Amino acid sequence: GIQVEQSPPDLILQEGANSTLRCNFSDSVNNLQWFHQNPWGQLINLFYIPSGTKQNGRLSATTVATERYSLLYISSSQTTDSGVYFCAVEGDGGSQGNLIFGKGTKLSVKP
Amino acid sequence: GAGVSQSPRYKVAKRGQDVALRCDPISGHVSLFWYQQALGQGPEFLTYFQNEAQLDKSGLPSDRFFAERPEGSVSTLKIQRTQQEDSAVYLCASSLVHRAVTDTQYFGPGTRLTVL
Repeated sequence: GIQVEQSPPDLILQEGANSTLRCNFSDSVNNLQWFHQNPWGQLINLFYIPSGTKQNGRLSATTVATERYSLLYISSSQTTDSGVYFCAVEGDGGSQGNLIFGKGTKLSVKP
Repeated sequence: GAGVSQSPRYKVAKRGQDVALRCDPISGHVSLFWYQQALGQGPEFLTYFQNEAQLDKSGLPSDRFFAERPEGSVSTLKIQRTQQEDSAVYLCASSLVHRAVTDTQYFGPGTRLTVL
């Protein structure tokens, strides 16, 4: 099946710093979503981005489907950005629509 | 509007007990998914419903796991004779459309199951 790799696994930032999180996937995808899992476990949708670039406030994401990767940019990080960021994909090989998740990037933003 | 809700939020069971976990998807959403998230890992797919039809249960780890969505809305995940390895967070997600057209999946807060 499709493989999803995220890097780095852990990231520590000082408040105000910028960061880039990467997601590589091994096959063509129909769907790619970025999530933030907060300390209470809630998965919060950040972007639905199977291709192209989107921006939402301090966050933006780019997916280059032909090269099988996606990037999540966080600018001017805040302590509330702490948590785990997941990339999840749905393959286009006849799957039922279920998402395949990477192992996540654990972000800690220090004041 | 209301998001996906799950209950209970926390469940402690003794090994061997049966448990039932409930998911209320966003109203009108056709697709419903269950995922299992072990500590420190990403969620893993368990099963998928399109309306009341269970179209994929390939991720269910054993025949002790059973899911239903009888009226195409609320879903229940049942685990019989729970074992310690069943301890995890169980997440439910829903999306507006069926599998032929991909769409954003919205997740509930999860049920944290601890089996003693």
